[in-house]
Amino acid sequence: DTAVSQTPKYLVTQMGNDKSIKCEQNLGHDTMYWYKQDSKKFLKIMFSYNNKELIINETVPNRFSPKSPDKAHLNLHINSLELGDSAVYFCASSQVYGRGQTYEQYFGPGTRLTVT
Amino acid sequence: AQTVTQSQPEMSVQEAETVTLSCTYDTSESNYYLFWYKQPPSRQMILVIRQEAYKQQNATENRFSVNFQKAAKSFSLKISDSQLGDTAMYFCAFMRQTGANNLFFGTGTRLTVIP
Repeated sequence: DTAVSQTPKYLVTQMGNDKSIKCEQNLGHDTMYWYKQDSKKFLKIMFSYNNKELIINETVPNRFSPKSPDKAHLNLHINSLELGDSAVYFCASSQVYGRGQTYEQYFGPGTRLTVT
Repeated sequence: AQTVTQSQPEMSVQEAETVTLSCTYDTSESNYYLFWYKQPPSRQMILVIRQEAYKQQNATENRFSVNFQKAAKSFSLKISDSQLGDTAMYFCAFMRQTGANNLFFGTGTRLTVIP
């Protein structure tokens, strides 16, 4: 069983389009994250949600909007895509509070976004 | 702000030999966690080993071990008996114990195991 899944794994789109990346975790974790890995392989946090509440919102353009319909899902919507948005986007999850607390983050397989 | 530095962009090692990857970090926190993640060509991020800052004993996971020097803010990864499957990017990462618990990553070290 896949612990953290992302769809799609590859996404090729044109500048100006709007696209979404979906993430689901079946680990029962209370916190989910989006990280961006740029062309130089550097990974940086974008957002963090705990029980559907936004916890971390790093300096990312307003064109990026995370949405958490429930604590098992954290989707990333990107408006008006730009060439510089091309990257690999990783979703991750962890249990931060309460029973089963762990500081380990489990990552999804990543979504390679290419904007042409 | 937390920063993580990996000073070795690329390294190589002969199969069955031992290699050490370096990592230093900067923080004013006293309680935190440190991690090494592996990213093979498949792109999947895989947790290799973790260390709690309050533990003096260095973590070990099979062929992987760390040398954690809290005063020096150093956290190196030693891979013993290197195998071809160890070829990957290795990322050192830092996490605060309290507050926002996102990972701060280093820039990575690309390790190639040579047959």
